[in-house]
Amino acid sequence: AQTIHQWPVAEIKAVGSPLSLGCTIKGKSSPNLYWYWQATGGTLQQLFYSITVGQVESVVQLNLSASRPKDDQFILSTEKLLLSHSGFYLCAWDLRDWGVEQYFGPGTRLTVL
Amino acid sequence: GDSVTQTEGLVTLTEGLPVMLNCTYQTIYSNPFLFWYVQHLNESPRLLLKSFTDNKRTEHQGFHATLHKSSSSFHLQKSSAQLSDSALYYCALHSGGNYKPTFGKGTSLVVHP
Repeated sequence: AQTIHQWPVAEIKAVGSPLSLGCTIKGKSSPNLYWYWQATGGTLQQLFYSITVGQVESVVQLNLSASRPKDDQFILSTEKLLLSHSGFYLCAWDLRDWGVEQYFGPGTRLTVL
Repeated sequence: GDSVTQTEGLVTLTEGLPVMLNCTYQTIYSNPFLFWYVQHLNESPRLLLKSFTDNKRTEHQGFHATLHKSSSSFHLQKSSAQLSDSALYYCALHSGGNYKPTFGKGTSLVVHP
């Protein structure tokens, strides 16, 4: 069975500090991977997606970047956090096929102070 | 490009009343897949139901939706709202042209006694 793991579960960081969030998918080969952001009480915002290792497309950057160093790993990062980065970050995967649903990870809750 | 439009913002209902959350979409492709995802408080979104077939009712967990290609709609309905239905609901589109889904902005449903 496939599993999706995100780390850390929660993070409290200072404005201006760096950030790295991670996501791993186990049990699926060559998934599409996605990063979403959700402000507290807000809606899903698709940030990045990747269809293969080393290839990442930006949807909305929000002064963040993403990388896919391995087939099963997706990293979201920034060198300088802003207050506006606070929120809930979700990683998701689906298969490279039409009509398949997305599966979301448990998320990382980020608070920037 | 593809787009999805949902009932804006917040829908408030009394328990026992029917639920209808609107979703319309735009795509140039003739065979889209439509999805409804549900996100309860402090949880990740998960698939509620999906459909590809025109004019066929799809049901899951008491909710139902019918894809109408003639009106580009996929409204979510339930005959009787329950308190546990309070959540964020997202309509999403997967057309033949994109390998990534397009999400609507979400509708927050609050059911009160």
